[in-house]
Amino acid sequence: NAGVTQTPKFQVLKTGQSMTLQCAQDMNHNSMYWYRQDPGMGLRLIYYSASEGTTDKGEVPNGYNVSRLNKREFSLRLESAAPSQTSVYFCASKSGTGGSNQPQHFGDGTRLSIL
Amino acid sequence: SQQGEEDPQALSIQEGENATMNCSYKTSINNLQWYRQNSGRGLVHLILIRSNEREKHSGRLRVTLDTSKKSSSLLITASRAADTASYFCAGNTDKLIFGTGTRLQVFP
Repeated sequence: NAGVTQTPKFQVLKTGQSMTLQCAQDMNHNSMYWYRQDPGMGLRLIYYSASEGTTDKGEVPNGYNVSRLNKREFSLRLESAAPSQTSVYFCASKSGTGGSNQPQHFGDGTRLSIL
Repeated sequence: SQQGEEDPQALSIQEGENATMNCSYKTSINNLQWYRQNSGRGLVHLILIRSNEREKHSGRLRVTLDTSKKSSSLLITASRAADTASYFCAGNTDKLIFGTGTRLQVFP
């Protein structure tokens, strides 16, 4: 049982390049999330998807786009990477809707550096 | 920022001692959750306490919730070196709002 799988694990980009971070879950969860984690800041929500076909902005959506490809997969795209987007990115999923009493399950993260 | 605050930011103790971490949050919540993060890994869920609960236990973990003060605490009893990690609280409305975390170091 893999849980939440993120690819790649590490990536270095140059300013202005684009890339897509992939996330897949095998737990048949409805809701999926993308966070970024910066030193001393905890996790901040970028975008989330409450169900297949829906996406909503979180606290820090600027510079990102997402696609809920199907129930399993939720991708995060940086169209024109900036040094301020250097961070560790985490994908998470949960059963039920956002306010339900269920925990989120996290992947191991993508460490992204933008030069 | 909507982020909650955790106190202390860092905590160092000896094996066998208890560790207490405190969390404050800003908005009304459905539940509050605690997560652990080992270095270089994702977050792992530890315990969830609902807004109508005041205390909850799970193994060596004890969580309290005071909704009037918008605060929670996590107590780890009889700590072990393997408890060394960062611990995050997260208030849940329709999405999780995380605190800034407490780095716990347990020395053998």
